Amino acid sequence: AQTVTQSQPEMSVQEAETVTLSCTYDTSESDYYLFWYKQPPSRQMILVIRQEAYKQQNATENRFSVNFQKAAKSFSLKISDSQLGDAAMYFCAYGDDKIIFGKGTRLHILP
Amino acid sequence: EAQVTQNPRYLITVTGKKLTVTCSQNMNHEYMSWYRQDPGLGLRQIYYSMNVEVTDKGDVPEGYKVSRKEKRNFPLILESPSPNQTSLYFCASSLNGYRSGANVLTFGAGSRLTVL
Repeated sequence: AQTVTQSQPEMSVQEAETVTLSCTYDTSESDYYLFWYKQPPSRQMILVIRQEAYKQQNATENRFSVNFQKAAKSFSLKISDSQLGDAAMYFCAYGDDKIIFGKGTRLHILP
Repeated sequence: EAQVTQNPRYLITVTGKKLTVTCSQNMNHEYMSWYRQDPGLGLRQIYYSMNVEVTDKGDVPEGYKVSRKEKRNFPLILESPSPNQTSLYFCASSLNGYRSGANVLTFGAGSRLTVL
């Protein structure tokens, strides 16, 4: 069965610095999708980034980028120039016929 | 505005008192799903629906029921709530039922349920 592991329950980063959130997954599939969702204090779940496994190029959305290592089954999220509004719970998710979420990493931004 | 609307947003109830959490989407999405979020456990899927009249169990279906009589609505029913169902609940939808894990989910705002 597919699993998603986020090994860092909490992280902190200084405002304007760069932080990387780690995510590993386990699957025997070759065609799948990976996601990062953000949950700010408002509780709303918001898509940050989506990666298609068959694409080698790492997805990027403004200050958010991923490091997708398919062989290592790793999908880390890098946030550059961290801002106070980035403070949230971040969920990594794996999807093929269904979607599975990791347990989340709570990110604190220090002013 | 394209959205998923769930109600109520907050509810405190007592053990055994039946309740329904409604979910409605206005995007003509085929796929709808319910999740519960608990500290340290992430989001776990309760039930999902690939289209009208098609529903299936997720990872934690015990104590819950759903129905999908119309494409836009997917209510979650707790027939006899118990304290272990105290949680934050999310309804979500996506465009396609097939390969649903490939699609971006649109989430509702969440419903905080407390069962005393």
